[in-house]
Amino acid sequence: EDKVVQSPLSLVVHEGDTVTLNCSYEVTNFRSLLWYKQEKKAPTFLFMLTSSGIEKKSGRLSSILDKKELFSILNITATQTGDSAVYLCAVESLSGGANNLFFGTGTRLTVIP
Amino acid sequence: DSGVTQTPKHLITATGQRVTLRCSPRSGDLSVYWYQQSLDQGLQFLIQYYNGEERAKGNILERFSAQQFPDLHSELNLSSLELGDSALYFCASSPQGQYNEKLFFGSGTQLSVL
Repeated sequence: EDKVVQSPLSLVVHEGDTVTLNCSYEVTNFRSLLWYKQEKKAPTFLFMLTSSGIEKKSGRLSSILDKKELFSILNITATQTGDSAVYLCAVESLSGGANNLFFGTGTRLTVIP
Repeated sequence: DSGVTQTPKHLITATGQRVTLRCSPRSGDLSVYWYQQSLDQGLQFLIQYYNGEERAKGNILERFSAQQFPDLHSELNLSSLELGDSALYFCASSPQGQYNEKLFFGSGTQLSVL
């Protein structure tokens, strides 16, 4: 059964701290891994990773994929209160001739001033 | 603003009833996805349409059905509603419904079944 597991479930940090969010997966026919940020309602896209070992970076956020060990991490440096959100990891796989996107339950990050 | 529009934003109804959720994808996107998000679960994939045709099916109950119309908007029909159907229902769209395309999510419809 395809699954995506995120850890920790919840994280509370102070502004300025660095956090690492984890995502491990077991899927058949892996295509890509995606990170989304969900603040109030709609998840918004952060990164898409398809190749192992290549870091994607956007400002204070970065992410890397390890296809051998089947996991990805999302790093946020110098956290700000605006980073408070649920971070979702999703893995895309090809199954039954169609692409399926499996989401983890997310990591809830709270950044306190 | 993702460009994906979902209506209504909130829906409160009683058990046994039927509701219809509506989604308009981003302009030019041919593929529409429906997801269910409950409090204790992640986003659960329900169904995907591409250019009016069903492309993939996930954990969609038989009481639920969906369709995509010629103008590419989509509707998700939920019938014989149960308390456990209370959730946030998201619609997302992508250009071709191919892999390696990022999804753009609507703001969701919060369904409460009383």
